[in-house]
Amino acid sequence: DQQVKQNSPSLSVQEGRISILNCDYTNSMFDYFLWYKKYPAEGPTFLISISSIKDKNEDGRFTVFLNKSAKHLSLHIVPSQPGDSAVYFCAATSINTNAGKSTFGDGTTLTVKP
Amino acid sequence: NAGVTQTPKFQVLKTGQSMTLQCAQDMNHEYMSWYRQDPGMGLRLIHYSVGAGITDQGEVPNGYNVSRSTTEDFPLRLLSAAPSQTSVYFCASSPYSQGRESNEQYFGPGTRLTVT
Repeated sequence: DQQVKQNSPSLSVQEGRISILNCDYTNSMFDYFLWYKKYPAEGPTFLISISSIKDKNEDGRFTVFLNKSAKHLSLHIVPSQPGDSAVYFCAATSINTNAGKSTFGDGTTLTVKP
Repeated sequence: NAGVTQTPKFQVLKTGQSMTLQCAQDMNHEYMSWYRQDPGMGLRLIHYSVGAGITDQGEVPNGYNVSRSTTEDFPLRLLSAAPSQTSVYFCASSPYSQGRESNEQYFGPGTRLTVT
């Protein structure tokens, strides 16, 4: 039973447009969520996070939205750039544990076309 | 800072062989973890440690051992390699969480392991 799901394996958008990546979770104990970005042959790198006391967190071109009642979060990238092309992982954890025990989704491959 | 380093980058083993994947971090992070990533899948937690001398199992611990004798190092041992352990292995570290918010993980570049 997968506790963190990214139902879209891939997404293709035009440069300058908005990219929306989605993530659903099933475990009600999760109260902290992170997005990581991964380029080929590299380790994931942290992008942005949100705790369950907020419904939105913004960092430059990246915004994460959290809908606790729907157990759904999304990552918005505006405007999208070709350098954003990568695999994006959604991860969830509990504030009472630590990020070292994060549960990851399967990832969404984003392709931004020039 | 070198961050999180992993050696080797690539390794080919025969079934039944054993080996140790090395992981080191120079950020004085308390937490360290090992994940594996199979094609088309996310990262699955193998083992983790909340500090020197303390380790615990993750989601897929079978066939792997860990130890944490120092803050800096967290080696992963494959006891008797099997083809099902062919994967990319990532080590990660994170600083102590204050409890109000968690902290992000810093990942190494990965070790690509093939077991024939």
